[in-house]
Amino acid sequence: QKEVEQDPGPLSVPEGAIVSLNCTYSNSAFQYFMWYRQYSRKGPELLMYTYSSGNKEDGRFTAQVDKSSKYISLFIRDSQPSDSATYLCAMSAAGGGADGLTFGKGTHLIIQP
Amino acid sequence: ETGVTQTPRHLVMGMTNKKSLKCEQHLGHNAMYWYKQSAKKPLELMFVYNFKEQTENNSVPSRFSPECPNSSHLFLHLHTLQPEDSALYLCASSQDPSAGGETQYFGPGTRLLVL
Repeated sequence: QKEVEQDPGPLSVPEGAIVSLNCTYSNSAFQYFMWYRQYSRKGPELLMYTYSSGNKEDGRFTAQVDKSSKYISLFIRDSQPSDSATYLCAMSAAGGGADGLTFGKGTHLIIQP
Repeated sequence: ETGVTQTPRHLVMGMTNKKSLKCEQHLGHNAMYWYKQSAKKPLELMFVYNFKEQTENNSVPSRFSPECPNSSHLFLHLHTLQPEDSALYLCASSQDPSAGGETQYFGPGTRLLVL
């Protein structure tokens, strides 16, 4: 079983819709959870960062972590065409920054105008 | 320049060539990383340098050779590559890798094609 599972999509939704992106993981040592956004021909950029379980909101974006289910989500409200990109979940264990991050494959999101 | 820069942005090389990828971070960070991103696969961590010392070599073939002359610069030397090495090579940096959940900042990547 892979460490981090993420549906690669593509996921296509109309502008203004609520988008839900998800990852599941198997390593219970993961404590830090991130979402990166990657536009075509660009490097990933950090979008959201969450420690342990709970919710975090930043503008139109909400990140949720459920450690008991080993499941994380990213919600995008009022989606815009500019949100079209690949969204990568990433995670690391406590004090595990030196090992780098463990990534999902990324979900390719398309927001239709 | 700000953030993390990488050169070249695109590279085509034959299997017998030798080339180098360069990464520079302007963030004052202490750790630098090389990742490989292939189509339909997760980012794969290749190497980690912390304060110029290599702390991780993630079972990477010897045809990839990293070099970190100082905490701001990172190189990836390539020789006798295979076509399956074609991918996007991403460099990242972070402030303190000993802290949990370090945020990593990525460069734009070098798109490599091996013929």
